[in-house]
Amino acid sequence: QVQLQESGPGLVKPSQTLSLTCTVSGGSISSGGYYWSWIRQHPGKGLEWIGYIYYSGSTYYNPSLKSRVTISVDTSKNQFSLKLSSVTAADTAVYYCAREHGNRDFDYWGQGTLVTVSS
Amino acid sequence: NFMLTQPHSVSESPGKTVTISCTGSSGSIASNYVQWYQQRPGSAPTTVIYEDNQRPSGVPDRFSGSIDSSSNSASLTISGLKTEDEADYYCQSYDSSNQGVVFGGGTKLTVL
Repeated sequence: QVQLQESGPGLVKPSQTLSLTCTVSGGSISSGGYYWSWIRQHPGKGLEWIGYIYYSGSTYYNPSLKSRVTISVDTSKNQFSLKLSSVTAADTAVYYCAREHGNRDFDYWGQGTLVTVSS
Repeated sequence: NFMLTQPHSVSESPGKTVTISCTGSSGSIASNYVQWYQQRPGSAPTTVIYEDNQRPSGVPDRFSGSIDSSSNSASLTISGLKTEDEADYYCQSYDSSNQGVVFGGGTKLTVL
């Protein structure tokens, strides 16, 4: 059974960089066929796709966030990471990592982690 | 950019059938698969329909999905409603112009 777990600071100051890591267990990121994704949900709002990465390092980002987002992968640790720069209060959200089953669906999700942007 | 529009909320009684729509903003919604997710409060979403009309194992056949090209929309139908079906439902597809993922705004289903 594949499991994903987000980790990182729950509080980030405005203008700083939000950094989160997703650790994958029960399966290898390097196995191919899947896109490893970040999705966020503002409090009481809908889902917003941030971007995803293939194990080879190819990335695809939401155009509205592209200038501030970097997603990277560390296959040796079976982890992938999110960096979001120049954050504001509008970036306060629950951040999920998820596995996208190759143009099919997001079939495994982490439990989500709340990140609050505040001084 | 491609967008998906859902009704903000729907409500129906237990035992009845409800349909939630998801309308594409441009192009053909049939060009890419549509998925549907159920999200209960405090939990991550789970798939109830993938590839327009496929059910993951464990999802009851009360859940069904369809595509209507004439209205450029997808639909999630839940029959024999149960109180446990009360949740938020999101459609999801892809933007062919940039290989991006698109979610609908979500529909809150109330079963009362």
